Amino acid sequence: TQLLEQSPQFLSIQEGENLTVYCNSSSVFSSLQWYRQEPGEGPVLLVTVVTGGEVKKLKRLTFQFGDARKDSSLHITAAQPGDTGLYLCAGDTGFQKLVFGTGTRLLVSP
Amino acid sequence: EAGVAQSPRYKIIEKRQSVAFWCNPISGHATLYWYQQILGQGPKLLIQFQNNGVVDDSQLPKDRFSAERLKGVDSTLKIQPAKLEDSAVYLCASSLVGGIEYNEQFFGPGTRLTVL
Repeated sequence: TQLLEQSPQFLSIQEGENLTVYCNSSSVFSSLQWYRQEPGEGPVLLVTVVTGGEVKKLKRLTFQFGDARKDSSLHITAAQPGDTGLYLCAGDTGFQKLVFGTGTRLLVSP
Repeated sequence: EAGVAQSPRYKIIEKRQSVAFWCNPISGHATLYWYQQILGQGPKLLIQFQNNGVVDDSQLPKDRFSAERLKGVDSTLKIQPAKLEDSAVYLCASSLVGGIEYNEQFFGPGTRLTVL
């Protein structure tokens, strides 16, 4: 069974702080995706990383895929209240099937 | 472009009752997924369809859960009889198929089920 462990599980910070969320597995994935989910809504794709060592930036968010394609990180610079939500990593196991991580709940206070 | 539609949005039932959820995927998306999401956790895949055929139902509790995808478009997920531990959000997602290298899934808003 392929598992994706995220840390921390919960993060409460003040507006303007930086943070990093980690997504770790013992399995290799062909690609890894990050989603954000807001209360009462389904997850929305933020980014897909494919190549080991790949770094992608989306405004204040920086995503990195580990060299061995087993882990990933999400770094947010100068967090804003609008960044509040549940962040989910998801590994592509092939056959169009995703395995989702355990989730990181982020709360950014003004 | 219309997104994935789900209904109902909320459902409260008593244990041992039956319940059904409906999903209409994005037009043209051949692959449809049903996930179960326990509060605060990541979604867990229950069943994956490609057109009207089942690709993966290895994590579907088949003694009580069933799903079908009529004519390769809409889908229904049924629970009969429900247990307390079935309380969760049931998410439907869809994606394109056929030569797509990176599997972007589009999710509906989910149905929040409470079993009392």
